[in-house]
Order: sequence, then C-alpha cells, then structure tokens
Amino acid sequence: RKEVEQDPGPFNVPEGATVAFNCTYSNSASQSFFWYRQDCRKEPKLLMSVYSSGNEDGRFTAQLNRASQYISLLIRDSKLSDSATYLCVVNEGSYIPTFGRGTSLIVHP
Amino acid sequence: DVKVTQSSRYLVKRTGEKVFLECVQDMDHENMFWYRQDPGLGLRLIYFSYDVKMKEKGDIPEGYSVSREKKERFSLILESASTNQTSMYLCASSLARQPQHFGDGTRLSIL
Repeated sequence: RKEVEQDPGPFNVPEGATVAFNCTYSNSASQSFFWYRQDCRKEPKLLMSVYSSGNEDGRFTAQLNRASQYISLLIRDSKLSDSATYLCVVNEGSYIPTFGRGTSLIVHP
Repeated sequence: DVKVTQSSRYLVKRTGEKVFLECVQDMDHENMFWYRQDPGLGLRLIYFSYDVKMKEKGDIPEGYSVSREKKERFSLILESASTNQTSMYLCASSLARQPQHFGDGTRLSIL
C-alpha cells in the first residue's frame, strides 16, 4: 500500500485563528478521501469526506488537489475545543483505507 | 448512527495468556477491521475481514488471529500475550469504500 504523509505538528494557534493542514498521498489512483478527528485517548471520528469540488461544513473546509496529490483541511475561527489530532485517510479503491499519522492541533486562549 | 461496540475499555492480562477482544457492529457492514495504535506510530492494521468467515492479514498480523463467524462480530485473539502487545486496540467497520466507524477502543496492558 502507498503512503499518506502528514506534518505531525503540533500546530499551536490562538483562538480565532485560521489554520490549514495538508496531507499528501502517493497513489494517483486514489478514489476517496476523508478527514478524521481524534481526541486524546479516544477513537478517531469522521470529521468530513473530501469531494473533488471541495466542500464546507461550518468552519471547516476540505479540498482535494488531484494534480498535486494532496488534500487540505482549513479551520476558520479556531475554538479551544478544536484541539485534537486530525487524521487524513485515503482509499485507493481496495478494502483498506490508508491512514496518515495525524497532525496535532493545539488552540490556546 | 452506526454503533461499534468493543467488549472492554480497559483490560489487564498476564504474559502467556490467551486474550480475546470482541467487537460488534449494528449496521450490517461487510468490512470489519482491527488496528492497534501506539504513540508515534499511528494506526496499524492487524487484520481485516470483508465477509463472514473471510479474513486477510494486515500490516502486523504476527501474534494475532481473528474470527468472524457472524457478520456483526469480529474477534481479535492474542494467542499468547506478550508485553509488546500492550497497546490501544481499535475495531472499525464500514461498507465498501465508505468511511470507517470506530469503537471506543480497548486499552490492553500485558504484565
């Protein structure tokens, strides 16, 4: 299976800031993409799927760049409760998705 | 909402014991997965199953086996527990190529 790479961080930002993470993938045949959020000592939870045209869910925007083989997650107006690890997931069309190791976000007052 | 239930949140066992971790999902998903997660290493796939009685090795199957006798249940077995199997174990389920849904995880300590 191919690789999915993320900057581990931590990204340390003040409340209200805008922060963006990227995730690169190596298999150009990858078909579906997701962002998960994982809180400390908890299970990963689906944050949002990533569609080719880009998609938004409240303060969160996800985008896909197939030409450069990366996906991104933008968080606007960061809240303290956004502090977590964000996992990028890429599915090549097989049964098994590939997880990145995650990017840690710390939002401080 | 999809519910994936793991039998124990915390478990302490001794070296050499046979350990069973159970996972049940209620959404008729074909695919089920077992991962372990360790600091700095991310999620590592141990085994997965795409149908009843079907199983495939993941990236780190050594020391583990699995059982899927019913569609909703996927069991992970540590044949003879060792201290290096101390970890957080996560079960997940999904439909084909759809996002996975995870259980709460089992923190397993082997003494």
